[in-house]
Amino acid sequence: DIQMTQSPSSVSASVGDRVTITCRASQDISSHLVWYQQKRGKAPKLLIYAASTLESGVPSRFSGSGSGTDFTLTISSLQPEDFATYYCQQANSFPRTFGRGTEVEIK
Amino acid sequence: EVQLVESGGGLVQPGGSLRLSCAASGFTFSDHYMDWVRQAPGEGLEWVGRVKSKADSYTTEYAASVEGRFTISRDDSKNSLYLQMNSLKTEDTALYYCTRGDYWGQGTLVTVSS
Repeated sequence: DIQMTQSPSSVSASVGDRVTITCRASQDISSHLVWYQQKRGKAPKLLIYAASTLESGVPSRFSGSGSGTDFTLTISSLQPEDFATYYCQQANSFPRTFGRGTEVEIK
Repeated sequence: EVQLVESGGGLVQPGGSLRLSCAASGFTFSDHYMDWVRQAPGEGLEWVGRVKSKADSYTTEYAASVEGRFTISRDDSKNSLYLQMNSLKTEDTALYYCTRGDYWGQGTLVTVSS
């Protein structure tokens, strides 16, 4: 199985900050990487697919990059509604696997 | 509007069975692969499995943790997805989501406890 390692596990940031979350796959997954946002008590929301393609309706302050084994989710200017937990998921092979999540907290 | 509504969760004893359902609307259900994803209380997301479309022979894939105990199926005539869970363990306690990948239901809670 492909292991997905996210870092950091949590980050404290202020409104307006640039936040970067990384996700590393245990083997090459090309660009088959998805990012989700989950707010407390809510279902996950798709942010980015194919490593860098923004889902329709997602603000442009979110961006994704990377290929192979190393990927990044960047929030260019953190907004109050962005405080949540973020998960990466590889979509290259079965079983699909998620990272353990990164909680973005208010500083 | 795309909607996914799960049902069937509840309290079950270890070793018991439960069948979850997911009612889909607002899109051509038969065209899409569908997944089940679960989340234990306070924990992260865990992919459970997938059923592909008729075009791909309704092929299923499962996580190792549920292989042989859980069965995913679908009824395209009813726009419904199912998760049959047998030989349930306490570690199967979780909120179970059905998802198309870009759309998710709100989940149904399964609690396995004596």
